[in-house]
Amino acid sequence: GAVVSQHPSWVICKSGTSVKIECRSLDFQATTMFWYRQFPKQSLMLMATSNEGSKATYEQGVEKDKFLINHASLTLSTLTVTSAHPEDSSFYICSAPGTASGRGIYEQYFGPGTRLTVT
Amino acid sequence: GENVEQHPSTLSVQEGDSAVIKCTYSDSASNYFPWYKQELGKGPQLIIDIRSNVGEKKDQRIAVTLNKTAKHFSLHITETQPEDSAVYFCAAGDFNKFYFGSGTKLNVKP
Repeated sequence: GAVVSQHPSWVICKSGTSVKIECRSLDFQATTMFWYRQFPKQSLMLMATSNEGSKATYEQGVEKDKFLINHASLTLSTLTVTSAHPEDSSFYICSAPGTASGRGIYEQYFGPGTRLTVT
Repeated sequence: GENVEQHPSTLSVQEGDSAVIKCTYSDSASNYFPWYKQELGKGPQLIIDIRSNVGEKKDQRIAVTLNKTAKHFSLHITETQPEDSAVYFCAAGDFNKFYFGSGTKLNVKP
């Protein structure tokens, strides 16, 4: 079963509103999580590193005031897209490194993604 | 940051044939090279990875080779099956932070 979940799986919002996306590690703790965005038929672009208990670190060119990241606990990171515009429409994916119970392998687990459509 | 290039962008093979996808990277400090398979509308799933102290790794029909001197690594899939059809991504960096290539859409024709 899934070891990293995202909620919601898809969301439609109006231009100018804010949208929050949750990323949870289900059976392991993650002090670090990562957020990516993916445009249709393109690669995953690393946006930021979410750090539990401290500020996120953003990749060059990513607006930190636009994409607010909060790592509230060892199993939850949230990405808030503020004042969304149609160009923010994308597939947002998170990942978390850890060892899921029963798997015995330390790896980066990716969530199923959240499709955001801004109208 | 790291710059990862991946080729080809699309690859069609006949069922049973082999498929090879190649990637190059720019940062000589990169020491972790995973390969992911992504199906439409889903998150990527790790299929195999290799670290810089190893030149080759194999897992059943899948193998990866790494040439650190030349900064390139490759994915080899043998005896391809229709269910191997998906988009494959290479990545390079360190275990906690890596950057993806542009992806290869693999189509295995039955």
